[in-house]
Amino acid sequence: GQQVMQIPQYQHVQEGEDFTTYCNSSTTLSNIQWYKQRPGGHPVFLIQLVKSGEVKKQKRLTFQFGEAKKNSSLHITATQTTDVGTYFCAGEYGNKLVFGAGTILRVKS
Amino acid sequence: NAGVTQTPKFRILKIGQSMTLQCTQDMNHNYMYWYRQDPGMGLKLIYYSVGAGITDKGEVPNGYNVSRSTTEDFPLRLELAAPSQTSVYFCASRRSGNQPQHFGDGTRLSIL
Repeated sequence: GQQVMQIPQYQHVQEGEDFTTYCNSSTTLSNIQWYKQRPGGHPVFLIQLVKSGEVKKQKRLTFQFGEAKKNSSLHITATQTTDVGTYFCAGEYGNKLVFGAGTILRVKS
Repeated sequence: NAGVTQTPKFRILKIGQSMTLQCTQDMNHNYMYWYRQDPGMGLKLIYYSVGAGITDKGEVPNGYNVSRSTTEDFPLRLELAAPSQTSVYFCASRRSGNQPQHFGDGTRLSIL
């Protein structure tokens, strides 16, 4: 079946350090989406990437979609305590999104 | 615009009991989804629907049933609750494929 692998599972960084999470699909994707879930909350949509090699930025967050449309990454520059939470990628397969297991980010101040 | 509304927010069930988790959306979205999230884990798709009268199984459908009689509502039914169904359940909707999903606040269900 369709699988989306996400690493690392967990990362604990010092405030001000950078953070990156990586996502890999077993098959080519029509698009990939990223979500953030705060502790105790629900997933919230961050961004969607559609084109091969696409790069999008949201303030300190940079999202990339691989040339083969099978992998993606989210990079946060200079993390802040407000960045804590779990970051999920999700690959589009037909009418469904298949979510990665998520990367839990903790930030030490 | 309330978005996606789930009820109840919390529930404790005894083994073997049944219940329905309610989900309604006011965005006129065609696609609706049910996920479960176990502690520290990702989202697993239980069932989904691409329109009224149409439902399909996801990754983990056993022990659950759904119906979609209207565009707005997508209830999830547990017939014989088992401890393995202790989880947080999220309902989500979106207008169509290749669109972002909007999630409800979740239902935290414990089965003892």
